[in-house]
Amino acid sequence: AQSVTQLGSHVSVSEGALVLLRCNYSSSVPPYLFWYVQYPNQGLQLLLKYTTGATLVKGINGFEAEFKKSETSFHLTKPSAHMSDAAEYFCAVIRNYQLIWGAGTKLIIKP
Amino acid sequence: GAVVSQHPSRVICKSGTSVKIECRSLDFQATTMFWYRQFPKQSLMLMATSNEGSKATYEQGVEKDKFLINHASLTLSTLTVTSAHPEDSSFYICSARSGTWGAYEQYFGPGTRLTVT
Repeated sequence: AQSVTQLGSHVSVSEGALVLLRCNYSSSVPPYLFWYVQYPNQGLQLLLKYTTGATLVKGINGFEAEFKKSETSFHLTKPSAHMSDAAEYFCAVIRNYQLIWGAGTKLIIKP
Repeated sequence: GAVVSQHPSRVICKSGTSVKIECRSLDFQATTMFWYRQFPKQSLMLMATSNEGSKATYEQGVEKDKFLINHASLTLSTLTVTSAHPEDSSFYICSARSGTWGAYEQYFGPGTRLTVT
């Protein structure tokens, strides 16, 4: 069965610093992987997705993620954090057309 | 991208009453809609999947008689929480996808905050 683990329920970085949000998955088949962002009191917005092909995926708002099969990871990064990046981030894998979610990581940006 | 709306955004109801939440796809035909529940500081839990014109498929542990889902048209699905109790208080989110899209493409509504007093 597929599952998703996000390390760290909260991550705090300074404005301008590197953002790294960790996601590991377990899957018996090649996965489709996703990162979503949820701003306060809002729904979820797709940041980026990996299906097939290039393992480094670029998304919106300057975020990118790299699929590493050997490490079963799909970590999300952004070179320079902005105050507007403060939100909850969810990693997900698809199973039977349904999304299986990680627990989420709240990103806090310090001025 | 495609737009999904939810109404109301917030609702407070008394214990024992029922409340209906609407989920609409504004610019596409949603052949499938998903209803999620999100507890504070937790991830989303899929409650049910509904296909237009069919009965919803509920996830294990979700009471179908308590959480009534209707997907009567290609642009509207409703979730009715019947005989609400304080433990039903939560953030409910819907998402929708079109049958013409890839299997993973779905768009999310902004959510409805339900508080049962």
